Amino acid sequence: EAQVTQNPRYLITVTGKKLTVTCSQNMNHEYMSWYRQDPGLGLRQIYYSMNVEVTDKGDVPEGYKVSRKEKRNFPLILESPSPNQTSLYFCASSWGRTTDTQYFGPGTRLTVL
Amino acid sequence: EDKVVQSPLSLVVHEGDTVTLNCSYEVTNFRSLLWYKQEKKAPTFLFMLTSSGIEKKSGRLSSILDKKELFSILNITATQTGDSAIYLCALTSGTYKYIFGTGTRLKVLA
Repeated sequence: EAQVTQNPRYLITVTGKKLTVTCSQNMNHEYMSWYRQDPGLGLRQIYYSMNVEVTDKGDVPEGYKVSRKEKRNFPLILESPSPNQTSLYFCASSWGRTTDTQYFGPGTRLTVL
Repeated sequence: EDKVVQSPLSLVVHEGDTVTLNCSYEVTNFRSLLWYKQEKKAPTFLFMLTSSGIEKKSGRLSSILDKKELFSILNITATQTGDSAIYLCALTSGTYKYIFGTGTRLKVLA
């Protein structure tokens, strides 16, 4: 089944404790992206990747890192999480240059205390 | 600055009504406009529009883009309770960034 998976689905952590949210897709998509969704602010793009080893900042990259060492995986790293990073996070993927239709993962609800 | 504005912010209708959701935008280098439906979980894709005046249809849902006036509409006819969701409009530009609007929350009453 074609899908985007994220882990963990729920996470409660404390300020400053490094964490990684994994994202994997099995559709051989070139383009992958991370979003955060907050009430009243909608979905905002954090980082995106056009292909392996190619990443770029979205609108809200501060406090986040990403890497794209393999085509299927695009982890989101919070080196020193803070309470303002409490949010619902979505990973998404698409073919990229040929079509912009994105497929979203199930979401990760992160709470930083 | 690229921008997407959706209206109304929320809408309550009765089953069988027709609704029109609006999405206006500003963008430097337009690639496409997309509509998504979000129920309790992840957004699911509805339509991608790239050309003006060509209506896309899927069942009771349809959408059209006006690149001259910089807006798109999403129509839902004969609404059902299962149409209750947040409808998201997103824009892509030449930089391959995605800009989402804040969404329209639709509630359909039985």
